[in-house]
Amino acid sequence: SSELTQDPAVSVTLGQRVRITCQGDSLTNYYATWYQQKPGQAPVVVIYGKNNRPSGIPDRFSGSSSGNTASLTITGAQAEDEADYYCNSRDSTDNHLKLFGGGTKLTVL
Amino acid sequence: EVQLVQSGAEVKKTGESLKISCKASGYTFKNYWIAWVRQMPGKGLEWMGVIYPGDSDTRYSPSLQGQVTMSVDKSISTAYLQWSSLKASDTAMYYCARQQGTMTTVWFDPWGQGTLVTVSS
Repeated sequence: SSELTQDPAVSVTLGQRVRITCQGDSLTNYYATWYQQKPGQAPVVVIYGKNNRPSGIPDRFSGSSSGNTASLTITGAQAEDEADYYCNSRDSTDNHLKLFGGGTKLTVL
Repeated sequence: EVQLVQSGAEVKKTGESLKISCKASGYTFKNYWIAWVRQMPGKGLEWMGVIYPGDSDTRYSPSLQGQVTMSVDKSISTAYLQWSSLKASDTAMYYCARQQGTMTTVWFDPWGQGTLVTVSS
């Protein structure tokens, strides 16, 4: 099966823009979904598909994709955005299988 | 409101069996795949597999094949994850989630609150 690779940790200054990336062969065929997980809570979808936000997700979250890399961008990071972020997609070798990236810990300074 | 409610935390000993549950409400249970996701202490999310309640079609992660069994009871809109012989390495938080998707994307929403399984000797 394939893999999705994320940077383990990223930091951003309050109010600035930050990009979190996810790399993998499956992303040349499928869009990534992005989840936010805060301590002690279940993950929540923040971006899915080409660049879709579920209701209730602030518009400072956006998604993009190029080649084998998907990106989650937070424009104007807030203190409450400090969390773990995971990407997810179908596996290109068998689309019934699913993959998660290893996660990125976002720190807002 | 679409909701998944999982069974409570479990403390078990190695070698024991266990079955945890995930009860769905607010939508037609048989029409959506249910995924199970493991999160070991301090670690990331790991996709374990999915089951389609409509016909119990099941797909497991190759790394977990044979380690767990997924099942459903459509009559009570509930999915299950079970172990026949627990190991200490099964200690983790287990989440169920409803799978949605298109040809080009997949997402899991909503998620259950998680069931913490602790296995000790």
